[in-house]
Amino acid sequence: EPEVTQTPSHQVTQMGQEVILRCVPISNHLYFYWYRQILGQKVEFLVSFYNNEISEKSEIFDDQFSVERPDGSNFTLKIRSTKLEDSAMYFCASSVARGFSYEQYFGPGTRLTVT
Amino acid sequence: AQSVAQPEDQVNVAEGNPLTVKCTYSVSGNPYLFWYVQYPNRGLQFLLKYITGDNLVKGSYGFEAEFNKSQTSFHLKKPSALVSDSALYFCAVRDGGSSNTGKLIFGQGTTLQVKP
Repeated sequence: EPEVTQTPSHQVTQMGQEVILRCVPISNHLYFYWYRQILGQKVEFLVSFYNNEISEKSEIFDDQFSVERPDGSNFTLKIRSTKLEDSAMYFCASSVARGFSYEQYFGPGTRLTVT
Repeated sequence: AQSVAQPEDQVNVAEGNPLTVKCTYSVSGNPYLFWYVQYPNRGLQFLLKYITGDNLVKGSYGFEAEFNKSQTSFHLKKPSALVSDSALYFCAVRDGGSSNTGKLIFGQGTTLQVKP
């Protein structure tokens, strides 16, 4: 069964450094998402992406964040200058379409630790 | 504002007994409801969804969920729990009254512990 994959599984970085989290969505999916979960808190939506542009973003997704689909398979989340409060589990998801009825398929997550 | 509540942090049940994991929601339009399960070191796995139609929906691994519009609830159920069902369960909603169609709003999650 096709799966969403994410690398790395764990990333440790120092405050102020740039990080890039990578995701490979399911191959025939067209819509891509990033969510995050701070330890002990809810899973929160960050951004959705379709047709090489952002469809929607949350207030968390400020100028420090960016997303890109550099080739036909990868989908990346970049944090330009990490803060301590960016420490969280980051989940990538994809869906075949954007309509209300379509479920999203999630990757295993990247645990980001900012020190 | 859209929201999802899972009132129990943890649910404990004996193997073979029925289980229920509770979820209530608040949206402005029609709700589109989902259940996901997360096993340790794994991503969120889709279990089932309610879009329209029958209030009782069936999903993976013998799970089902009942949509109740008057109580704004979407409780997850299974007639006979297995130890392997022990995991973290998330309820999520999309708001049909919202202009955006992609975003999922999640509950805080409920840990299900099934004891042998």
